[in-house]
Amino acid sequence: GAGVSQTPSNKVTEKGKYVELRCDPISGHTALYWYRQSLGQGPEFLIYFQGTGAADDSGLPNDRFFAVRPEGSVSTLKIQRTERGDSAVYLCASSLRGGSTDTQYFGPGTRLTVL
Amino acid sequence: KQEVTQIPAALSVPEGENLVLNCSFTDSAIYNLQWFRQDPGKGLTSLLLIQSSQREQTSGRLNASLDKSSGRSTLYIAASQPGDSATYLCAVNSGGYNKLIFGAGTRLAVHP
Repeated sequence: GAGVSQTPSNKVTEKGKYVELRCDPISGHTALYWYRQSLGQGPEFLIYFQGTGAADDSGLPNDRFFAVRPEGSVSTLKIQRTERGDSAVYLCASSLRGGSTDTQYFGPGTRLTVL
Repeated sequence: KQEVTQIPAALSVPEGENLVLNCSFTDSAIYNLQWFRQDPGKGLTSLLLIQSSQREQTSGRLNASLDKSSGRSTLYIAASQPGDSATYLCAVNSGGYNKLIFGAGTRLAVHP
């Protein structure tokens, strides 16, 4: 079956622009996570969805970042007024229920470059 | 605040060597610890997941151990192969719902 997919694979934008990054989780997975990975670092947690609701958004760096999952499947990460410091790879992951025994399956990521 | 450290940051070995990657974490109150592999330009692949009540997990040539009280885990790779070349990431789950805190990774190169 299909894994986690993310679009676009690469996004180049100018400082101050708005961007949307999309994540398609594995069908039937209720838990969805967004992470951000800067060069040479491990992924950093941003937000966790259980179904349609954001159960933990403590990792979002500021109010320019927002994420939705309106139907409990596809999720969109939205970044307003992009800054050069937002440049990173944004990773999405899903798991069956979000329990501590679940394996997280990661997508290939979206590489965001803010010029 | 949970912090995860991985040593070494990079490792280069000849094919066939057995090797150990180290991971340490500051808060022993974890639900599980996971090891991932990341190939350049790709996402993460889960290798092993060790629950907090377990001491080790094995998959093929990989063996991961967990010593929760001392805040340490090791990933042992037996008979390394060039195809093992990748970045290996350790992550701990402290939040119950698999909110993972990652280390910076160990970049492994296995040369023929």
